[in-house]
Amino acid sequence: AQSVSQHNHHVILSEAASLELGCNYSYGGTVNLFWYVQYPGQHLQLLLKYFSGDPLVKGIKGFEAEFIKSKFSFNLRKPSVQWSDTAEYFCAASNNAGNMLTFGGGTRLMVKP
Amino acid sequence: KAGVTQTPRYLIKTRGQQVTLSCSPISGHRSVSWYQQTPGQGLQFLFEYFSETQRNKGNFPGRFSGRQFSNSRSEMNVSTLELGDSALYLCASSLWLAGGTYNEQFFGPGTRLTVL
Repeated sequence: AQSVSQHNHHVILSEAASLELGCNYSYGGTVNLFWYVQYPGQHLQLLLKYFSGDPLVKGIKGFEAEFIKSKFSFNLRKPSVQWSDTAEYFCAASNNAGNMLTFGGGTRLMVKP
Repeated sequence: KAGVTQTPRYLIKTRGQQVTLSCSPISGHRSVSWYQQTPGQGLQFLFEYFSETQRNKGNFPGRFSGRQFSNSRSEMNVSTLELGDSALYLCASSLWLAGGTYNEQFFGPGTRLTVL
């Protein structure tokens, strides 16, 4: 069965700390990978996506993620977090068999000023 | 460009009733997907519609249904509501690319359904 797992449910960091959120997937065939963010009171927004090509993808707001096929991973990174990055982050995957996303359980990030 | 809109934003129903939620996709997007978000189960895929046809369906009971109209607007219906149907229902739209693949999904603000 297709699945996405996120290792950390809650992460607390101080401003300027580096961030890495883990994501592993289990999918057959070609996989498309996404990171979405949900700020408090706002709707899901796409941070970045990987369809093919360069496994290091850069997204909005200084976020990046690396697709490592051998490890079935797509970890999200940011070198220096800000208080405004406080949000819930979701890793998601799909394949070209259909436009349906499988989400991980989410990681709540709190950044202390 | 206007984003995905969902109506109503909030809804309170009682057990046994039925409810219809509406979603208007981004102009030009023909694929509309629905998701249920709950604290316990997280985000789960309900179904996807493309050109008025259901293309994919998640693992939800038959009480959950949907449809899409010729202008790509979509509705989902839940009949015989149960307490466990209380959730945030999200709609997402995406563009079908010429190469035969989808682009990313853009999400609406959701409809929060409370079942009493």
